[in-house]
Amino acid sequence: QVHLVESGGGVVQPGRSLRLSCAASGFTFSTYGMHWVRQAPGKGLEWVAVITSDGSSQYYANSVEGRFTISRDNSENTLYLQMSSLRAEDTAVYYCARAASFRLELPWNWGQGTLVTVSS
Amino acid sequence: DIVMTQSPDSLAVSLGERATISCKSSQSVLHSPNNKNYLAWYQHKPGQPPKVLIYWASTRESGVPDRFSGSGSGTDFTLTITSLQAEDVAVYYCQQYYSVPCSFGQGTKLEIK
Repeated sequence: QVHLVESGGGVVQPGRSLRLSCAASGFTFSTYGMHWVRQAPGKGLEWVAVITSDGSSQYYANSVEGRFTISRDNSENTLYLQMSSLRAEDTAVYYCARAASFRLELPWNWGQGTLVTVSS
Repeated sequence: DIVMTQSPDSLAVSLGERATISCKSSQSVLHSPNNKNYLAWYQHKPGQPPKVLIYWASTRESGVPDRFSGSGSGTDFTLTITSLQAEDVAVYYCQQYYSVPCSFGQGTKLEIK
């Protein structure tokens, strides 16, 4: 059974950095692409980033390109999102998701999310 | 980048009645070589993570009730829920997985009338 647990959320000041983690279990982590998707309060889902199974390629939403970095440690079955130069509009619940087996660009199994609040 | 637009933003339907949600993409998500539409529908209930209902525009995920169906091709898609049940109250999103950046529609909030 796929299990994804996000952590690392909290309150952070504008301009500061924060790193999110997603611990994966129940599947062979190193064979799946992984996503980060966020939902701002009262808003819809916004795709953030995806990384290939071996970590060799990463893709980002325009809104986070150059500020966020997605990475993974396949030896630790963990996905990361390093967020820098944070802005108030980055306030959201951040979900990690395993990609579908047949298509990298399709988030399939989702974690419960972790809340990031950017506020002074 | 592909922009996804859903309508309506919210919808109230009586129990047992039909709900229909539309999703339009700014460019085709039909891949001609395999004739597949790279379009998924999600259900998102409060306090829960989103759940895949439909992929390839019309393929129901395992375990999803058959009152949920997807249709359409190219740039125009529809999610239909026949005989609405109380547990179907949720926000529904379409998503294109044709290309990165992946993109979601803005969501449609479905309520009971």
